[in-house]
Amino acid sequence: KAGVTQTPRYLIKTRGQQVTLSCSPISGHRSVSWYQQTPGQGLQFLFEYFSETQRNKGNFPGRFSGRQFSNSRSEMNVSTLELGDSALYLCASSLVADYEQYFGPGTRLTVT
Amino acid sequence: EDQVTQSPEALRLQEGESSSLNCSYTVSGLRGLFWYRQDPGKGPEFLFTLYSAGEEKEKERLKATLTKKESFLHITAPKPEDSATYLCAVLIIQGAQKLVFGQGTRLTINP
Repeated sequence: KAGVTQTPRYLIKTRGQQVTLSCSPISGHRSVSWYQQTPGQGLQFLFEYFSETQRNKGNFPGRFSGRQFSNSRSEMNVSTLELGDSALYLCASSLVADYEQYFGPGTRLTVT
Repeated sequence: EDQVTQSPEALRLQEGESSSLNCSYTVSGLRGLFWYRQDPGKGPEFLFTLYSAGEEKEKERLKATLTKKESFLHITAPKPEDSATYLCAVLIIQGAQKLVFGQGTRLTINP
């Protein structure tokens, strides 16, 4: 069974640009969550989608947004990039709510 | 505020030297506690889920236990390949599920 896949794996952007990251969950998983990981803050929850609806959102500015498609694939978008957005962005999928989450390899975003 | 604290931040052991990692939490609406292993540059790898106090799970040299306020990850006779960062996370339900992570314990096993 294929795991969670994320594309691209690495990305370099300039301040002020925007970026879109993609996540394909494990087949059959309907819940997709996004996390930001930095050395200083650790893993922080961004948002969770289930059946194309955002059900929960972490404490991040509105520049961070996401969506989920009918096939459960998800994208997250960051607009007007700042240097502090440099991080590893992780996507995790789970079968349903209240169940263990499986993580993808992440997208390493560097903002210069 | 929901909080998860892991200790120690870093631990260096000799091969074969057993030890335990701690994860304490203060959250409302706890639905489960998860342990993950993360290698540098990779996503966290799921290890265990614990749902109720007194529950224990084992996998190879690892055993996870849960009380009402904390969880322990016991490592028995570790090998160098067990070197990684071990993350603890609690699943809380506030309308929808959310994982709250600790900062992790960086474990190094010297041969």
